Amino acid sequence: AQSVTQLGSHVSVSEGALVLLRCNYSSSVPPYLFWYVQYPNQGLQLLLKYTSAATLVKGINGFEAEFKKSETSFHLTKPSAHMSDAAEYFCAVRVGADSWGKLQFGAGTQVVVTP
Amino acid sequence: EAGVAQSPRYKIIEKRQSVAFWCNPISGHATLYWYQQILGQGPKLLIQFQNNGVVDDSQLPKDRFSAERLKGVDSTLKIQPAKLEDSAVYLCASRAETHEQYFGPGTRLTVT
Repeated sequence: AQSVTQLGSHVSVSEGALVLLRCNYSSSVPPYLFWYVQYPNQGLQLLLKYTSAATLVKGINGFEAEFKKSETSFHLTKPSAHMSDAAEYFCAVRVGADSWGKLQFGAGTQVVVTP
Repeated sequence: EAGVAQSPRYKIIEKRQSVAFWCNPISGHATLYWYQQILGQGPKLLIQFQNNGVVDDSQLPKDRFSAERLKGVDSTLKIQPAKLEDSAVYLCASRAETHEQYFGPGTRLTVT
């Protein structure tokens, strides 16, 4: 079965500092992995996805993530945090090897950006 | 391109009442999902449609929840009767061929 674990339910970063959000996955098949962001009272927005191509994936808003099979990780980073990055971030893995695309989400990491 | 539309955005009901949510996916997206997101948790899949057929409803509490997708476009999710633990945000998403799911703004349900 596929699952993801997000380490840290809350992260506080200073404006301009590195943002690092951790995600580890478990999958019996080559995984498809996703990072979504959710702003207050809004739905989820896709930041980036890994679908077995390049292991370093670049997304929107300056975020990127690196797929590391040996570590079963897909951590999300951004070199310099902006106040607008304050939101909740979810890592997700596609469940199953078929094309239906059901996602299993992690519990989320709330990011707070301080001036 | 218009996004996924959901209504209502907010709903407050008393326990044992019924409620319905509506979703209009992105045009041309054959796959539609309903998720339940309880405060402090990630979304949990309730039901998945491919066109107007159900692909996966293994997590749907079928004694009180029902969903349909007539004509393979719009979808409604109903709860009858509601319980306190149904308080959550209900998210609708639709999927393109490129694997990513696009989410609507959600309906926040409060059951009192």
